[in-house]
Amino acid sequence: DAGVIQSPRHEVTEMGQEVTLRCKPISGHNSLFWYRQTMMRGLELLIYFNNNVPIDDSGMPEDRFSAKMPNASFSTLKIQPSEPRDSAVYFCASSLSGGPTDTQYFGPGTRLTVL
Amino acid sequence: AQTVTQSQPEMSVQEAETVTLSCTYDTSESDYYLFWYKQPPSRQMILVIRQEAYKQQNATENRFSVNFQKAAKSFSLKISDSQLGDAAMYFCAYRSYSNYQLIWGAGTKLIIKP
Repeated sequence: DAGVIQSPRHEVTEMGQEVTLRCKPISGHNSLFWYRQTMMRGLELLIYFNNNVPIDDSGMPEDRFSAKMPNASFSTLKIQPSEPRDSAVYFCASSLSGGPTDTQYFGPGTRLTVL
Repeated sequence: AQTVTQSQPEMSVQEAETVTLSCTYDTSESDYYLFWYKQPPSRQMILVIRQEAYKQQNATENRFSVNFQKAAKSFSLKISDSQLGDAAMYFCAYRSYSNYQLIWGAGTKLIIKP
């Protein structure tokens, strides 16, 4: 079975540009998580979806960040406008139901560089 | 609030030997899960092993095993017969039974010497 798929793997953009990161969770998984990883702050949860509905977006840093999950097999994380401090690795993870026995499975990540 | 501490920023081991990575956590809850994830240079976060707090038996997965000490709130990872492919960052993570959020440690970089 395919794991979590993320695209692109690398993104280099200039400050002020819009960036869209994409994620396809594991088929049959109902929960989806977006994380950001930086050297300074480690892994941070940005937003959590369950059954395509955003449950917790308290980790989204500011209004420049938005996330959508239009269906069970696709999610996007958008940054508009991007800033150099947004440079990080962004991970998408999915799990079966978000329940207490779940394990989160991670995608390969997108390395974002904002110049 | 729960916290996870990995006190070893970096560890090194000779190939084929055994190494133990430390993790301690703080929680007031009795039901929870603990995880070790591996992040190789490819960046992919890979689940290595998982432990349910209600289980007294330590989890094992091939060359990977844990020493789970609930009273001491300790969850160390032992890697036997270390291989070059084990070189990676290793993250310890905690998850409450009642919450979907993973609480992460800062990670330990494992270097394998040939």
